[in-house]
Amino acid sequence: EVQLVESGGGLVQPGGSLRLSCAASGFTFSSYWMSWVRQAPGKGLEWVANIKQDGSEKYYVDSVKGRFTISRDNAKNSLYLQMNSLRAEDTAVYYCARVTTFFDYWGQGTLVTVSS
Amino acid sequence: NFMLTQPHSVSESPGKTVTISCTRSSGSIASNYVQWYQQRPGSAPTTVIYEDNQRPSGVPDRFSGSIDSSSNSASLTISGLKTEDEADYYCQSYDSSNHPYWVFGGGTKLTVL
Repeated sequence: EVQLVESGGGLVQPGGSLRLSCAASGFTFSSYWMSWVRQAPGKGLEWVANIKQDGSEKYYVDSVKGRFTISRDNAKNSLYLQMNSLRAEDTAVYYCARVTTFFDYWGQGTLVTVSS
Repeated sequence: NFMLTQPHSVSESPGKTVTISCTRSSGSIASNYVQWYQQRPGSAPTTVIYEDNQRPSGVPDRFSGSIDSSSNSASLTISGLKTEDEADYYCQSYDSSNHPYWVFGGGTKLTVL
């Protein structure tokens, strides 16, 4: 059974940093693109970043470029999102998702709140 | 990058059929696959349609997807509505015009009353 479990969310002040993790199991992690998708409170879904199987390609939504870094450790079956210079508008539930031609499996999400 | 526009909300009675539209702002809707995700309150999204009209295993055949090049839109149709279908539905596609970019529609709240 495919499982994706996010962790690392919490309350952080504006300008602060946070590192999210996603532990994957039930499939060959190194064979798939992976993604982060976020959802602000009461709002819709927004794609944040994708990473290729070997980490050689990474893509970001414009609003997080230069502030967020997606990475992975295939030996640990883990996906990460390093978030720096956080802003109030980054407040959201962050989901990790497996990517085929679409986001076929999603984790339950971790809440990031940026507030003073 | 293009945008995907959905109606904010739709409502219909149990047993009836509802269609949710998703209109692409620029470029052809047929250029890239469209997916549909269902999200119930407090839960993560799940896929109900992928690659325009394919249903994942476990999704009932009451759910169907299509694209219409004349209106440059995709549609999700749910027949024989059940109260359990009440949820938010999001369309999603992919833009490769500049750099790879994954696009979601704004979501449609389906009320079954």
